[in-house]
Amino acid sequence: RKEVEQDPGPFNVPEGATVAFNCTYSNSASQSFFWYRQDCRKEPKLLMSVYSSGNEDGRFTAQLNRASQYISLLIRDSKLSDSATYLCVVNKMPMDSSYKLIFGSGTRLLVRP
Amino acid sequence: DAMVIQNPRYQVTQFGKPVTLSCSQTLNHNVMYWYQQKSSQAPKLLFHYYDKDFNNEADTPDNFQSRRPNTSFCFLDIRSPGLGDAAMYLCATKQAGGPSNEQFFGPGTRLTVL
Repeated sequence: RKEVEQDPGPFNVPEGATVAFNCTYSNSASQSFFWYRQDCRKEPKLLMSVYSSGNEDGRFTAQLNRASQYISLLIRDSKLSDSATYLCVVNKMPMDSSYKLIFGSGTRLLVRP
Repeated sequence: DAMVIQNPRYQVTQFGKPVTLSCSQTLNHNVMYWYQQKSSQAPKLLFHYYDKDFNNEADTPDNFQSRRPNTSFCFLDIRSPGLGDAAMYLCATKQAGGPSNEQFFGPGTRLTVL
């Protein structure tokens, strides 16, 4: 079983739609959670961290469910520029405190006019 | 602007010909990472440095080596590239013990093996 699992998509939605992605992680020791965005042939960039209480940044809302070990990302009022791959990322803290990120394979979003 | 820089952006090498990819950072972060990413796959951690301490992932092939001569620079050496090593190689940095767990990525080097 992969440590971080995502639906690869693609999710093909019209502009203005609301779309949600889910992600599950296997290691209950995971400490921190993130959504990264990756455009085609570019590097991943942090979209937002995910906090236990849930957090919102403009049109983006992230939720964490530790009991079920899943993370979600909700995008409201989709824009064409939201088209990208969204990577679910978790972090576990090994004994030496050098933080390592575990990436999901990503969910591809296509927003059409 | 402070950033993570990778050179070259595109590298073409021949099967079996050693190649070195470079990464530099102006963030003064103490941790540097090398990832390999193939098409439609997750970035896969190859190894990382915590200051000068090298940490190899268990499944990283011996063909891959790394050097970090100082805080700012880190190199990835592929001793005998095979066709399966064609990928995007991403360098990232982080300040361990800092307020954020964010890793900052460079733009990547896309390696082609002929």
